[in-house]
Amino acid sequence: GQSLEQPSEVTAVEGAIVQINCTYQTSGFYGLSWYQQHDGGAPTFLSYNALDGLEETGRFSSFLSRSDSYGYLLLQELQMKDSASYFCAVSRGATNKLIFGTGTLLAVQP
Amino acid sequence: DTAVSQTPKYLVTQMGNDKSIKCEQNLGHDTMYWYKQDSKKFLKIMFSYNNKELIINETVPNRFSPKSPDKAHLNLHINSLELGDSAVYFCASSQTSVSGELFFGEGSRLTVL
Repeated sequence: GQSLEQPSEVTAVEGAIVQINCTYQTSGFYGLSWYQQHDGGAPTFLSYNALDGLEETGRFSSFLSRSDSYGYLLLQELQMKDSASYFCAVSRGATNKLIFGTGTLLAVQP
Repeated sequence: DTAVSQTPKYLVTQMGNDKSIKCEQNLGHDTMYWYKQDSKKFLKIMFSYNNKELIINETVPNRFSPKSPDKAHLNLHINSLELGDSAVYFCASSQTSVSGELFFGEGSRLTVL
């Protein structure tokens, strides 16, 4: 089978740094994606890691360790607008068919 | 211009009815998907089409029938609606090459009474 685990909720203050972890178990792992979803909105793509290491895009960075079946999303200089749900998702085989984790609700407080 | 658009955004209907949701993408992508997001926000893939051909059917009840008239459109028809079908249905599209990136529509919230 396959599974992805993320914390259900994380709380942080404006300006802080927060890390959202994702551990996965799946056969045919190809890459790990991260998505942001505001309440009532559509999931939007943040990042994708197919190789080990850190990918940085502005305030957001994503890390992957294939040997540990683990990745994380790092959000720096948190802003109120970052309050949302964050999903990790694995792609299996050379396709964009994504299996999503259960999501982490991030609450940013003043 | 909206990249992936779905209609309708909201659907309220009675058990036993049949309903359809339409999706169109103007990104030139070859692959389109339907995902279901339940009340606990769990996003689950239902179907995927590549160039009008069904490539993924994730053990969805056969009351759900997708149709892709061309690669820019993917519709979802649901027969004999049940209470458990209440959810937000998202259409998405992607390039065929692996990128981990899906472009989602705004979702269609289906409520079955």
